[in-house]
Amino acid sequence: DTAVSQTPKYLVTQMGNDKSIKCEQNLGHDTMYWYKQDSKKFLKIMFSYNNKELIINETVPNRFSPKSPDKAHLNLHINSLELGDSAVYFCASRQLGVSNTEAFFGQGTRLTVV
Amino acid sequence: AQKVTQAQTEISVVEKEDVTLDCVYETRDTTYYLFWYKQPPSGELVFLIRRNSFDEQNEISGRYSWNFQKSTSSFNFTITASQVVDSAVYFCALSGPFSGGYNKLIFGAGTRLAVHP
Repeated sequence: DTAVSQTPKYLVTQMGNDKSIKCEQNLGHDTMYWYKQDSKKFLKIMFSYNNKELIINETVPNRFSPKSPDKAHLNLHINSLELGDSAVYFCASRQLGVSNTEAFFGQGTRLTVV
Repeated sequence: AQKVTQAQTEISVVEKEDVTLDCVYETRDTTYYLFWYKQPPSGELVFLIRRNSFDEQNEISGRYSWNFQKSTSSFNFTITASQVVDSAVYFCALSGPFSGGYNKLIFGAGTRLAVHP
């Protein structure tokens, strides 16, 4: 069983379109993240949800809207896609508490905007 | 503010050489956590190790070892007798204490390791 799964793995779309990426974790963790990895491999946090509540929103354009219907799911919807949105998007989950665990990552979604 | 610096952008070695990947971190928290992740060419992010700030013991796992030194704010990673399969981008990461669900995992820029036969 995959701990953190994202769909789709690849997404090619035209500028101006709207697309969604889905993420699910079966680890029972209380925190989920979206990270963006650019072409230079730099990993930057976008959003964090803790117990379905948006906790971190890192100066991401409001064309990006995360949604967490429950603790196990965190989706990312992107409106009006731009060329600069091309990147690999990673979902991750983690258990926070007295001792914070490591984050487990999905396999990534490679988004290409043409 | 928290920050992770991996000064080595790329390292190239020949198989069986030992290689050390450097990681220097900055934080004002007294409790924090350090991590190493591996990203092989297939693209997934693989967790390697977690270290708590109050545990400065070095760790060895097979050919991998980690040297955590609070005095120099460093958490270096050594691969002994490197193999071609070790070729990947390696990330060092830092997070602070639990704070009501607010907790970022901050990554360094990564070090690309190429191991040649």
